[in-house]
Amino acid sequence: DSGVTQTPKHLITATGQRVTLRCSPRSGDLSVYWYQQSLDQGLQFLIQYYNGEERAKGNILERFSAQQFPDLHSELNLSSLELGDSALYFCASSPRLVASGGSNTGELFFGEGSRLTVL
Amino acid sequence: LAKTTQPISMDSYEGQEVNITCSHNNIATNDYITWYQQFPSQGPRFIIQGYKTKVTNEVASLFIPADRKSSTLSLPRVSLSDTAVYYCLVGDLSGSARQLTFGSGTQLTVLP
Repeated sequence: DSGVTQTPKHLITATGQRVTLRCSPRSGDLSVYWYQQSLDQGLQFLIQYYNGEERAKGNILERFSAQQFPDLHSELNLSSLELGDSALYFCASSPRLVASGGSNTGELFFGEGSRLTVL
Repeated sequence: LAKTTQPISMDSYEGQEVNITCSHNNIATNDYITWYQQFPSQGPRFIIQGYKTKVTNEVASLFIPADRKSSTLSLPRVSLSDTAVYYCLVGDLSGSARQLTFGSGTQLTVLP
């Protein structure tokens, strides 16, 4: 158990719909990352938040948005869903940052993922 | 961003040592090299991390040459349960912004 909780575990919906995926990071972790993994694309970095602020953006579509709340949980909103959005969506968290060269590995702790199926 | 290149797949037999090499020619000064393991339908799991030379923990070793343009994950005496996808990840951990991009990974299959 990584300590990262994602809900729902499975979600089936139709094209054009909107869904929200939720992530609770490990206790004390300030950074949250979202990744998309589909069969033919591997792990795609979507977005990263640090203590409530967006800090890095990857290949996230405009139809997707995310936020990190004051209690540090995060939500990924996917709208106008298309068949190609079917994938596993992973959330990861990492510990508080320490100075470069320190003992903090910046290890990512991944949740079990939310499997989205768009029909 | 440093791009990584790994073999798509590798086969090995139980009890053998497995070495998986990752190329990262444009690695930056602040970048660390991290390896993750992923089983089907599970989130990736941290294996080992290094900056230069050699790092060893209870499950693996990581060899990084002086130019840091590649790294090799070494798994001693693999078992069937080591069958998984292994990802090499190169990224700057020195700031709060971390665009940590995974490569395509190496599917390791351990045969009996």
